Amino acid sequence: DAGVTQSPTHLIKTRGQQVTLRCSPISGHKSVSWYQQVLGQGPQFIFQYYEKEERGRGNFPDRFSARQFPNYSSELNVNALLLGDSALYLCASSLGTSNSYEQYFGPGTRLTVT
Amino acid sequence: DQQVKQNSPSLSVQEGRISILNCDYTNSMFDYFLWYKKYPAEGPTFLISISSIKDKNEDGRFTVFLNKSAKHLSLHIVPSQPGDSAVYFCAAGKLIFGQGTTLQVKP
Repeated sequence: DAGVTQSPTHLIKTRGQQVTLRCSPISGHKSVSWYQQVLGQGPQFIFQYYEKEERGRGNFPDRFSARQFPNYSSELNVNALLLGDSALYLCASSLGTSNSYEQYFGPGTRLTVT
Repeated sequence: DQQVKQNSPSLSVQEGRISILNCDYTNSMFDYFLWYKKYPAEGPTFLISISSIKDKNEDGRFTVFLNKSAKHLSLHIVPSQPGDSAVYFCAAGKLIFGQGTTLQVKP
């Protein structure tokens, strides 16, 4: 079975630009969460989606948005990029049930903003 | 405000010895804790978890201990192996992660 996949692997953007990151969960998983990990820190929660609905949002500005599609894949959009948005963006999928705490992470997308 | 803290950024141990990684949390309402391991260029992978109704959970070489009164949990790896060298994150519930501890196991 394929694990969580993310695309692209790396990308470089300029300040002020917009970026879209993509995630495909493990088959059968209905919940997708997005995290930002900067160097030396742990993953910081951005969004959680379950059954196409937003179920949680972390302390990130409105420049960050996301959505989940009927096939449970997800996109994370970041507008008006800042240098501080440079980070590894991780997507994680889970079954989504109330007692399923384990998450399965993709390899991440490394975003560099110049 | 860091709700989950891993105060040791790094730890180095000799192969065959015990590795102890520590994690503190602030919210007594947290009822489930997990440890993840992360290798370079890979996403974190689930290692072991513990519910707040337990104080110990063991899986092979890995044991997690939970001290609710101290709001502290620890991960013990015995015996440590060079392949255990990675960054270890503790997490409270699904969404809150610590900063990570880099473990180096020397042959």
